[in-house]
Amino acid sequence: DAGVTQSPTHLIKTRGQQVTLRCSPKSGHDTVSWYQQALGQGPQFIFQYYEEEERQRGNFPDRFSGHQFPNYSSELNVNALLLGDSALYLCASSLRTGLNTEAFFGQGTRLTVV
Amino acid sequence: QQQVKQSPQSLIVQKGGISIINCAYENTAFDYFPWYQQFPGKGPALLIAIRPDVSEKKEGRFTISFNKSAKQFSLHIMDSQPGDSATYFCAASAAYNTDKLIFGTGTRLQVFP
Repeated sequence: DAGVTQSPTHLIKTRGQQVTLRCSPKSGHDTVSWYQQALGQGPQFIFQYYEEEERQRGNFPDRFSGHQFPNYSSELNVNALLLGDSALYLCASSLRTGLNTEAFFGQGTRLTVV
Repeated sequence: QQQVKQSPQSLIVQKGGISIINCAYENTAFDYFPWYQQFPGKGPALLIAIRPDVSEKKEGRFTISFNKSAKQFSLHIMDSQPGDSATYFCAASAAYNTDKLIFGTGTRLQVFP
């Protein structure tokens, strides 16, 4: 089992550009959540996808959008990048059972906006 | 009300000692409290988790103590080892909001030989 895989590992973008980050969930998982982790901070919830729909959203602007594919993999898109978007972006997958279940995190994508 | 407050920010412990990290929450709807360990350049990995129907849970050298009335929970690492040096995050979520984890700010643990 490969666990949660994210790509790319590192990314450098210029302010104003757009970026797409990718996530493949752990085998058997159907729910993908995205988190932003600024340096020295805890992860902050961006949004969650289940059955190809955005189910929950944290306090992030519309510049942050996502998608989930039929194979449960997911993309995070960020438009009009700001310097403050520089962070580690984490994908977590879980199996929706109606109860809180263990979320498995990927290694993250380090995004640097210059 | 969605916050989880974590302390201390950093912790230095001698090898073999006990490391204690504390967290407090306000939202009484939270009913799942995991602890994550994160090494530099890696994603968080689940260490241990507890639900409010028990006051303590132990897995190996790691123990969660939970005080529902005080809305506090803590992680105890017994016989701390240099390999435990990492950043630890407490988190919380509610059954009505499954899988949305609210994280604390993290504790950087350094265990010296």
